[in-house]
This record gives sequence, structure tokens and C-alpha cells, in this order.
Amino acid sequence: DAGVIQSPRHEVTEMGQEVTLRCKPISGHNSLFWYRQTMMRGLELLIYFNNNVPIDDSGMPEDRFSAKMPNASFSTLKIQPSEPRDSAVYFCASSADRVSYEQYFGPGTSLTVT
Amino acid sequence: DAKTTQPPSMDCAEGRAANLPCNHSTISGNEYVYWYRQIHSQGPQYIIHGLKNNETNEMASLIITEDRKSSTLILPHATLRDTAVYYCIVTGANSKLTFGKGITLSVRP
Repeated sequence: DAGVIQSPRHEVTEMGQEVTLRCKPISGHNSLFWYRQTMMRGLELLIYFNNNVPIDDSGMPEDRFSAKMPNASFSTLKIQPSEPRDSAVYFCASSADRVSYEQYFGPGTSLTVT
Repeated sequence: DAKTTQPPSMDCAEGRAANLPCNHSTISGNEYVYWYRQIHSQGPQYIIHGLKNNETNEMASLIITEDRKSSTLILPHATLRDTAVYYCIVTGANSKLTFGKGITLSVRP
């Protein structure tokens, strides 16, 4: 199994631009999670999906952030417009069960907004 | 959610056992203890979890005290590749993992 796949691995963009991060979960997993990691705030859960449906988006910082999961094998996290404070590493994770704390993380996308 | 307390850092010699402590004095009866680690520049990696019995897998052992107020993750023969930040997490609601600052383990040659 290839594990959780994220793209791009690194993204550098200018303030105000739209950024789209992509994730392919492990095949057969039905829960997907988006996290953000910064030095100041550590690792934070942004949103998670179960069977492609958003279950909890209380961690999404503001309306500039949106996430979709159009099918079981693909999810996107979009930031529009991006700001320098969005610079962070964004991780996607998946798990096999609806309520599962055994999550498998991707390699992350390092985002820098200048 | 119950919270955990971990020392900020520790080190151990390569080949020796690494014992990583965690306090979770407010844990509830149905909450599990999970351990993850994060090697530099990688995503977190699941290690092991337990409720009240000791658990062992190919990576580590988890010892939970009888009162469940603390636990210890044991890496029986630490290698340089085990250098990482280790997170002790008590499960929250709806699959939420709340990562604290963790403990930085440095394995020295």
C-alpha cells in the first residue's frame, strides 16, 4: 500500500493567491482528517470526513479555508485568499473506522505564503 | 478531553531501553491512551494504544498503571532512528486526536 499521498509536497505562493492542497487516503479507509502544524500552535485538527461527509469542521480557522471530499479517494483543502499566517505544514490522515484514533498520516505539504 | 503531561525531553543510549512517561490523572473510564511519534519532517506515526491492560506490539510496549493515571511507553532497544517527538494522547470525542507538545527523545550513539 502506498500510504496516504499528498500533493504538492512544497508550495510557495504570494499573499492573496489561492492554494489547493490534495490528499489521497489509503484505499478502503473511510475517514479522512486534515491537520495543520506550526511551531506556535503545534498540530491542530482542522476538519474530518467520514464516508465523504464532513463531520466536524470546528477547527477550520476561518471562511478563507474550505475542504471537500468528492469521493472516497480524493480530498482537497483550499485557502482563498492565502495570507502569510497560513504558512504551516498541512497533514492529511486517514483511518479505517468511523471513530478511530489509529490514523495514518501522509508526508505533509509545506506551505509558505510570502 | 482529558489532558496529558509529558516531560519536554529525555535521552538514552543506543541499544538501551527508552522509557517515556506520561501522566493523565483526569482520564475517564472509557478513554484510551494512544502514543504517536513524529520523526523530523515526517507525518506523525501511530505506535500503540491501550485502555487498562499492558500492550505490546512490534514497535513498543505500553504499561498503564492500575489506577490509569499514568503510563509508560517502552522502546526496548532504542536505535538512532527512534529519535523523534513522542506524543501521549488521551482519546477525545469523535476521533479527535489532540496533540500536545510531546516529549523529544534523543537517542545517542
